[in-house]
Amino acid sequence: SQQGEEDPQALSIQEGENATMNCSYKTSINNLQWYRQNSGRGLVHLILIRSNEREKHSGRLRVTLDTSKKSSSLLITASRAADTASYFCATDLGFEGQFYFGTGTSLTVIP
Amino acid sequence: EAGVTQFPSHSVIEKGQTVTLRCDPISGHDNLYWYRRVMGKEIKFLLHFVKESKQDESGMPNNRFLAERTGGTYSTLKVQPAELEDSGVYFCASSQDLYNEQFFGPGTRLTVL
Repeated sequence: SQQGEEDPQALSIQEGENATMNCSYKTSINNLQWYRQNSGRGLVHLILIRSNEREKHSGRLRVTLDTSKKSSSLLITASRAADTASYFCATDLGFEGQFYFGTGTSLTVIP
Repeated sequence: EAGVTQFPSHSVIEKGQTVTLRCDPISGHDNLYWYRRVMGKEIKFLLHFVKESKQDESGMPNNRFLAERTGGTYSTLKVQPAELEDSGVYFCASSQDLYNEQFFGPGTRLTVL
């Protein structure tokens, strides 16, 4: 399987704290993307990092990519209750269009 | 710009029945994908259309699943006959280009009793 795996599976933090989620994958990739899914809603794209990039920022989000370790991390700073959702990493291999998703991290931010 | 829409949002059917899910991609997006998430497991790819052609259907679980995209616009995914293990959330996504962002619909939650 070429799916990714997120770690931890579930994370509960207080509002204002930082949340870090990790994603590991098995094969060489073209891009890695992070998506968020609020309960009962669709997936929302957060950030894309290409295989030749090491770090990317978008607002309160910071993503790192270590291709030698085949891993990525998503950091959400100063978390808010509205950040409560499931977070998925998705990889693509560069020669086909489909994404391979991880199992997701369920984040709960307690007000 | 309207996003990806899916219909219905929920469907409850009995084992052996037929269900058809519909996806309307973002206008102008040639690439359309179907994914599903079964019982809280990972989201898995089902198939990929480029316009009306099936580019990759390697993720389709068996021949009870039939996807079409006539005219290269909306797509349907038919499950016939449905089995209990088909229960899950079916997502549709579209993109303008490969390897960039895919825009996901809200999903159809299918429950097979």
